[in-house]
Amino acid sequence: QSALTQPPSASGSPGQSVTISCTGTSSDVGGYNYVSWYQQHPGKAPKLMISEVNKRPSGVPDRFSGSKSGNTASLTVSGLQAEDEADYYCSSYAGSNNLLFGGGTKLTVL
Amino acid sequence: QVQLQESGPGLVKPSQTLSLTCTVSGGSISSGSYHWSWIRQPAGKGLEWIGRIHTSGSTNYKPSLKSRLTILLDTSKNQFSLELSSVTAADTAVYYCASSRYGSGNAFDIWGQGTMVTVSS
Repeated sequence: QSALTQPPSASGSPGQSVTISCTGTSSDVGGYNYVSWYQQHPGKAPKLMISEVNKRPSGVPDRFSGSKSGNTASLTVSGLQAEDEADYYCSSYAGSNNLLFGGGTKLTVL
Repeated sequence: QVQLQESGPGLVKPSQTLSLTCTVSGGSISSGSYHWSWIRQPAGKGLEWIGRIHTSGSTNYKPSLKSRLTILLDTSKNQFSLELSSVTAADTAVYYCASSRYGSGNAFDIWGQGTMVTVSS
């Protein structure tokens, strides 16, 4: 199975909203509500931002939200802040006890 | 607060076996129902899930790595480990251990800091 497809880059100005997509197939993203999103700053371990499509772990700002339509999941960051500049990765359960990650999206705050 | 810490050689020769250990602190590796995973990231590239072991000891591996991969649980040491055989330069990466609570949709909520492994002669 191939990695999930994410745009290489995204950008927005402080205060704006930006949406990052994650496209898979009916065998992974479209088949299960098991999509997660991770934020990774340079040299750091990833941090869980969204689980099960749209659940926010404790401590994650409500500026971060997740959704899914068909085979595409999305992460929206509202009210962009400088500290949101990072790489973002989606992941999905792909059936048969297999997990896939997306290729990652570099978010730039202009 | 559970924490994870990877350890192991930073340099492995081609064709040899890469062995890493993840030590769990702040909680018991055998309590509750968790999956303990290994994830890697080549320099400048994306994340790749490698495989996992459940608290019960059952394992799941990435299909393309299954023939070279073994993940073990050592409850006496509160550790789990990774063994990847017949390594090549393509296995050079930062290796992370991570945990996901069973039933959480495979969300990795706790990560180790990562350890860099280079495959080179």
